[in-house]
Amino acid sequence: DTAVSQTPKYLVTQMGNDKSIKCEQNLGHDTMYWYKQDSKKFLKIMFSYNNKELIINETVPNRFSPKSPDKAHLNLHINSLELGDSAVYFCASSQVSTQQFFGPGTRLTVL
Amino acid sequence: AQTVTQSQPEMSVQEAETVTLSCTYDTSESDYYLFWYKQPPSRQMILVIRQEAYKQQNATENRFSVNFQKAAKSFSLKISDSQLGDAAMYFCAYRGNSGGSNYKLTFGKGTLLTVNP
Repeated sequence: DTAVSQTPKYLVTQMGNDKSIKCEQNLGHDTMYWYKQDSKKFLKIMFSYNNKELIINETVPNRFSPKSPDKAHLNLHINSLELGDSAVYFCASSQVSTQQFFGPGTRLTVL
Repeated sequence: AQTVTQSQPEMSVQEAETVTLSCTYDTSESDYYLFWYKQPPSRQMILVIRQEAYKQQNATENRFSVNFQKAAKSFSLKISDSQLGDAAMYFCAYRGNSGGSNYKLTFGKGTLLTVNP
């Protein structure tokens, strides 16, 4: 019954590795988002897809690449991980202009 | 660009008392939405209340209510009869309504609320 799910919930990895975080929503929404919450709890938009089309791409290093294979999925791939990438990453979804529903978050720790 | 400011990094309240969290924002748009989200230690983002800018009436949800002052660009959250379960980080957020990239949420830095028994 989970509305927005993310896997994994925790991810610990070494600097320089490549990792992916997956997001799935079963709400039938057409818009999905990735937000980053840093160590000071500040939340900032990274990307958004509407019907598999990228509509928001904030100032994010190109080591981050979102992929939306279909409307229900939005994955985040990160290349060459750096210490500063350690954060909690939230996926969210909405039906265009309605409220956004958030996933449980993925805590990424880069050692 | 829109900005959201929460001037109180931390607040505390006694159980059963009332507390008000402050939020101001800056925008040149006339049509937008404002939200308060709660993030307990579980880190789940939970929507507490939302306000449409075109509505003059302040939103209420049980013990939670807002004081929306559009001209002053102020959007405070009042929690009545505070409960221990209200302890969390509270985020004020803005969302435009003109389509596309405007649908992103812009968050304030948060207010950590402690509820004392």
